[in-house]
Amino acid sequence: GDSVTQMEGPVTLSEEAFLTINCTYTATGYPSLFWYVQYPGEGLQLLLKATKADDKGSNKGFEATYRKETTSFHLEKGSVQVSDSAVYFCALSDRGGATNKLIFGTGTLLAVQP
Amino acid sequence: GAGVSQSPRYKVAKRGQDVALRCDPISGHVSLFWYQQALGQGPEFLTYFQNEAQLDKSGLPSDRFFAERPEGSVSTLKIQRTQQEDSAVYLCASSLYGGTNEKLFFGSGTQLSVL
Repeated sequence: GDSVTQMEGPVTLSEEAFLTINCTYTATGYPSLFWYVQYPGEGLQLLLKATKADDKGSNKGFEATYRKETTSFHLEKGSVQVSDSAVYFCALSDRGGATNKLIFGTGTLLAVQP
Repeated sequence: GAGVSQSPRYKVAKRGQDVALRCDPISGHVSLFWYQQALGQGPEFLTYFQNEAQLDKSGLPSDRFFAERPEGSVSTLKIQRTQQEDSAVYLCASSLYGGTNEKLFFGSGTQLSVL
């Protein structure tokens, strides 16, 4: 079945460092891809998405490009801030049937130190 | 409120007890999902409603799990005869229509601990 694999954390960075969180997927067909973020004590929030190959999703300085040839959707940010500390989840949409449910990776904890 | 509301925030149950978890989606949202998130894992799909119709319950782990959304708004996830392996955070999410690329709005979850 469809699945998502993302790099294990925690990832610890200093403020203004460059961030990459790797995500690869396995899917039949052509899923949409998402990054969700969970800040401490809050619910998951959509960070960005891409719906087809070579699309780039971006939001709040974060970017991810849908790479069909490498089945990847790596999350990047050029300069992280302490406020970016959170758990980041990569996900794909299962387009089969009527559900369109999301399949999530295990999450990557990011800790940014001042 | 403006967001998805879940109650209770925390629930402690003795093994064998029945529990009921409530989700208030954003008003007017057609689609409602329940997910289960074990410690250190990503959310896993349990079930999906479109209005009051339960269109997919393929993720429910056993017949002890039951969900309903009788009037197409509030939803309840019920777990009968709870077991220790049911301990997890139960997340509810809603979206306006439910299309593939639709943004999901998540609640903060109910953390269930079965002793």
